[in-house]
Formats: sequence, C-alpha cells, structure tokens
Amino acid sequence: EAAVTQSPRNKVAVTGGKVTLSCNQTNNHNNMYWYRQDTGHGLRLIHYSYGAGSTEKGDIPDGYKASRPSQENFSLILELATPSQTSVYFCASGDGWRQNTLYFGAGTRLSVL
Amino acid sequence: GDKVKQSPSALSLQEGTNSALRCNFSIAATTVQWFLQNPRGSLMNLFYLVPGTKENGRLKSAFDSKESYSTLHIRDAQLEDSGTYFCAALMSNYNVLYFGSGTKLTVEP
Repeated sequence: EAAVTQSPRNKVAVTGGKVTLSCNQTNNHNNMYWYRQDTGHGLRLIHYSYGAGSTEKGDIPDGYKASRPSQENFSLILELATPSQTSVYFCASGDGWRQNTLYFGAGTRLSVL
Repeated sequence: GDKVKQSPSALSLQEGTNSALRCNFSIAATTVQWFLQNPRGSLMNLFYLVPGTKENGRLKSAFDSKESYSTLHIRDAQLEDSGTYFCAALMSNYNVLYFGSGTKLTVEP
C-alpha cells in the first residue's frame, strides 16, 4: 500500500506569514499533487509535479508555490498567507504521467487568522 | 463551469438497501476514479476505470465514455459505507484529474 505522509496535520498561521506544508511518499511514484478541499468544491488542484525538480500549475495556483527537491518530497509554500487560504490540504502521489491510481495523505488542516 | 457534476449531493439510506451515485462530465473523459472519504477525513481509492465496469464486493462502478458519465452502485448498504464519495475524471487534452463536489452518504440502522 502506498504511503503518503503529510506534516503538519494541523497548522494555525497569521495573515501575512509564511507557511510550508510538507509531503513525503515512500513508493517511488513519479507524480505528486497538492489539492485543497473546501465545502461545496470537492478537491481542487493547486500544483503538481512529474518528478524531482518539476512543478506545474494546477487549476488554482495563485498564492501558492511548490517545490519538489526529490522523488520523495513535495512541498506547498504559502509566502504570504491569507484567510482565504484556510482549508484542508491533501497531498497525493501516483505512478504514470497520465495519473493512474492516486494515493492520498491524511490531510493538513490550515487556519489562517 | 464544473467539468464534473456529481449527484446527489447528499443521500440517506437504510441499512441493507441499494443506491446509485452518478457523475456527468461536461467534456470527454478518458479515465475515472472513485474515492471514499471516511468521517475522519481519509481518502481511499475505490475504483480506477477505463470505459467499462468493475466490481468489488458490494460496490460496482461503470464508466461510459461515449455518454460521458460514470456510476457507483452500492448494494446492501452497511453502516461503514457512510462517508463522502468523490468521482474524479481525467479529461481529454488535460493532464490532471478533476473532482466532483462529492456525495455525502449516511447509512442508518
């Protein structure tokens, strides 16, 4: 079973502060993704990556940066956090560039005050 | 607009009954996945589909790419089936999955 670990699980940040959400996967999957989940919207893609050194914009990338320093790690960075970025964030990994089965982390609940 | 429209948004079932969830796609989809988010928030993959059907225990899913929809049938619903079900589709000419807004299922004794 694929293992995707997110940290932290919960985070409270102040408006204007910098937030980094981390994701680690241990299954050597090429592709990794960051989604946010808000009531009524399902999951929306923020950034994704095809492998180490690669980052791509998803549907809602504004206000977010991503970093993929290695096959295993994919970070989501909020340089200047805003209250509208309060959400639950999910990291996922998958093999195959056309997105075969996704494996999700447990999620990070972020509150920006 | 929404590329993936999921219905119903909420559903309540008695234990032992059957039901079906549906996703309609506004543009051509090549593959579909179904996920269950349990009450604790964890997302689990249920099915990965190319056009056709798959069955796993009490769950059966179908994907019709020509008519642009997918269904998830739940047979003999159990309390542990409660949660939010999401479909997600890989659309032609896109490299990412688009998710529906989910169906919150409550199974009652």
